[in-house]
Amino acid sequence: AQKVTQAQTEISVVEKEDVTLDCVYETRDTTYYLFWYKQPPSGELVFLIRRNSFDEQNEISGRYSWNFQKSTSSFNFTITASQVVDSAVYFCALSELGYQLIWGAGTKLIIKP
Amino acid sequence: NAGVTQTPKFHILKTGQSMTLQCAQDMNHGYLSWYRQDPGMGLRRIHYSVAAGITDKGEVPDGYNVSRSNTEDFPLRLESAAPSQTSVYFCASLSCTDTQYFGPGTRLTVL
Repeated sequence: AQKVTQAQTEISVVEKEDVTLDCVYETRDTTYYLFWYKQPPSGELVFLIRRNSFDEQNEISGRYSWNFQKSTSSFNFTITASQVVDSAVYFCALSELGYQLIWGAGTKLIIKP
Repeated sequence: NAGVTQTPKFHILKTGQSMTLQCAQDMNHGYLSWYRQDPGMGLRRIHYSVAAGITDKGEVPDGYNVSRSNTEDFPLRLESAAPSQTSVYFCASLSCTDTQYFGPGTRLTVL
């Protein structure tokens, strides 16, 4: 069965610290997608990144970076030099054909000034 | 190009009342879905549609109905609302890159 685990319920750091959000997934398929979404206090769901199972290259986008490791079934998200505006709930999700998204429970990130 | 739009943003219903949550997209996407988000439960899919005229049940369909008469619109109907349907509802469309993009959400309270 598919499953996504975000073990960190809440993380609190001081601004400018680096922070890593963990995501571990389970699937029996060889073809799948992994996603990260951000949900700021305003409530909308913002797409951050999509990774397919055949592409294990790490990705960097500004202060955001993602580390995908199939060997450990992990897709971790790092924010470098965190800012108060990064405060949000972050969700990791898995889908096998892009249709049914299996969601993690989310990690609430609090960045203190 | 507005993407996925949802109306209303907020609504309060009394138990037993009916209501329709609206979802519209202007990206010509075939696949649309409805999710509900509850504290500690993550997002759960209610119903989905792969094309006009085709709908199917998701993980938590009871108490909800959907229809898809065209590509753009995918309304979600609550025939007889219950307090357990108090939630935040999101509509999402699937892009050609297999990424789901979400509407802004509807916060529904059933008293």
